[in-house]
Order: sequence, then C-alpha cells, then structure tokens
Amino acid sequence: GDSVTQMEGPVTLSEEAFLTINCTYTATGYPSLFWYVQYPGEGLQLLLKATKADDKGSNKGFEATYRKETTSFHLEKGSVQVSDSAVYFCALTPNTGGFKTIFGAGTRLFVKA
Amino acid sequence: DAGVIQSTRHEVTEMGQEVTLRCKPISGHDYLFWYRQTMMRGLELLIYFNNNVPIDDSGMPEDRFSAKMPNASFSTLKIQPSEPRDSAVYFCASSTNRDSPLHFGNGTRLTVT
Repeated sequence: GDSVTQMEGPVTLSEEAFLTINCTYTATGYPSLFWYVQYPGEGLQLLLKATKADDKGSNKGFEATYRKETTSFHLEKGSVQVSDSAVYFCALTPNTGGFKTIFGAGTRLFVKA
Repeated sequence: DAGVIQSTRHEVTEMGQEVTLRCKPISGHDYLFWYRQTMMRGLELLIYFNNNVPIDDSGMPEDRFSAKMPNASFSTLKIQPSEPRDSAVYFCASSTNRDSPLHFGNGTRLTVT
C-alpha cells in the first residue's frame, strides 16, 4: 500500500541554520504531495504542496521539489527561525482510488536562539 | 472563513460512557475526514465522507466507533462504550478535491479514565 517515510526527530538547530527534513514515499501513479506543520495545541496546517513531478512547492522560505525518479519530497529552508519550531508532516494523496491522505510520522524541529 | 470548527477542545469521560465529538467543516467543502492522533500510531484516518455519504470507514477501529454526517455542515464521531485506549486527539478535516490540502480543526483531546 501507499506509505510515507520521513526522518525521525527531533531535529535541533541554531537560528539561521540550514534545514533539511527528508521524505520519501511509496505510491502508484502520481500522487499529490504535501508538507504540513503542526504547532502545539493546534491542528495541522498546509505549508506547501506539489501535484506533479518536478513541481516545486514553496512558502515562508520553505521549499520542496517533487522528485519522481527518487520518490522524494524533501523539505528545505535556508535559514530557520525560533518561530519555525514545530512538528512537520510529509503527506501524500493518491491520484486514483479513495481520497485517503497518508501522513508520515512527523519530525519535531527545535530551533535555538 | 471560520475554518473547520471543533468546538470542544478537551473531553474527559469515564470508561464505559458514551462520548460524541462534533465538527463543522468549511462551507463548500465536499469532503470531510476524521483522523485520530496518538504518539504511538501517529495520524490515522478513521473515516471520510463525500457529499455527506460515508465513503471509506475501514479505519474505524471497532464497532464501538460510529460516525454520521446528517448534513453538509455537521458531523459527529461517537464512541460507545469508551475505553482508556481510545484516549487520543481526534481531528476533523475538510477539503474540496485530492489536489487541494486538508483543512484541519484544532482537534478534541479525549481522555478516558
């Protein structure tokens, strides 16, 4: 079945450091790919998305590129801030069959001042 | 846009009692989802509806769980009888189509003692 694997956390960085959170997926066809962010006590909210191969999603300095050849959708940011501390989830929605979004386990990010 | 509304943030009940969680999706969203989040299992899709009709309930853990969507603006998830292992955060989400993101409510934290 479809699945999403993302790097385990927690990830601890100093402010202004470069961030990479790896995400790979298993799915048939061309799923839509998403990164969501969850702050304490809140629901998940969309960070960025890409719906076809080679698309780059970007938002608030975060970027991720849909790589079909490596089935990856790694999240990057050039300079993190303390306010980026949160849990990040990689997710896919299949383009066939049921509308069942699959989430990775989440990666907790701590950014120190 | 008020977002997805889960008006109850915390619910505490005793084992064996019935508990009902409630959700109001974003107006115009045809899809509604119920997810459960725990540390051990992450985010699990319990059931989803399309145009108020249940499409896939394969994630509902047991017959003790049931969900309804009597109209486009309201859904319930009921657990009867509740058990301590049902303790989790339950999220409702809505969406328009599979290329679009899920919009999550802030969740209801259920504690069964």
